Amino acid sequence: EIVMTQSPATLSVSPGERVALSCRASQSLSSNLAWYQQKPGQAPRLLIYAASTRATGIPARFSGSGSGTAFTLTISSLQSEDFAVYYCQQYNNWPLWTFGQGTKVEI
Amino acid sequence: EVQLVESGGGLVQPGGSLRLSCAASGFTFSRHWMSWVRQAPGKGLEWVANIKEDGSEKYYVDSVKGRFTISRDNAKNSLYLQMNSLRAEDTAVFYCAREVGYCSSSSCSNWFDPWGQGTLVTVSS
Repeated sequence: EIVMTQSPATLSVSPGERVALSCRASQSLSSNLAWYQQKPGQAPRLLIYAASTRATGIPARFSGSGSGTAFTLTISSLQSEDFAVYYCQQYNNWPLWTFGQGTKVEI
Repeated sequence: EVQLVESGGGLVQPGGSLRLSCAASGFTFSRHWMSWVRQAPGKGLEWVANIKEDGSEKYYVDSVKGRFTISRDNAKNSLYLQMNSLRAEDTAVFYCAREVGYCSSSSCSNWFDPWGQGTLVTVSS
C-alpha cells in the first residue's frame, strides 16, 4: 500500500495570502496524483489531476506541481470560499487508491 | 449535468446488513469504472471498493473483503454496495464516485469525478 502524507495538518492564513500544501508518497507515483477540496457537509470536489492539470471549472489560482514522491498544491491568493480541507490521492498503485489525511486551511 | 445520488444509509446494529444504492445520470454509466469511498466522522477519505464498466472486475480494501459486495446494473444506471457483518468502525458517510482516467490492458490510472452527496451509515446498538 502506498502511504500518502500531507503537511501541515492545519494551516491558518488570511484572505489574499499565497498558500502551499504538501503531499508526499511512500513510493514514486510518477504524476498519478489528484487533489480534492472538501467543504463542511459537502462531498469532495476534484481540483487537480495528473499532478498539475486543473479540472474543468477550477479557477487559475489553484495550481499543482511535483512528480515522483513530492507534490504541492498552491493557491496563489486565498479567497474566502477556499477555506476547506484539501486531500491528495494517488492512483498509481492499481487498484488500491489511497488518500492523504488532509490539510485544513482555516482563517 | 453529471449527477450521482446515493441512498440507503441509516442506523444498523453491529452484525447487521445494509444495501446502499447510487443513481447515476448525465453520462454514459456503462463506460466508467465506479467506486465507493467512505469518510468516518471527523476523519479522512478511504477508498472502499470499485467495479469495472461491465461488472467483470471488482476490488476491495482489505478491511471490507468478505463483508461488502459491490455491484452495478447498467440498464438502471445504478451502483450498489451490499454491506454485511457491519461493525462500529464501518460508521461513515459513504460516497459513490465516478472514476475518470485511462486504462491499459492490465491496469488503470483513475481519479474521482464527480462524487455523490453521500449517505450516512451508523453502526451502533
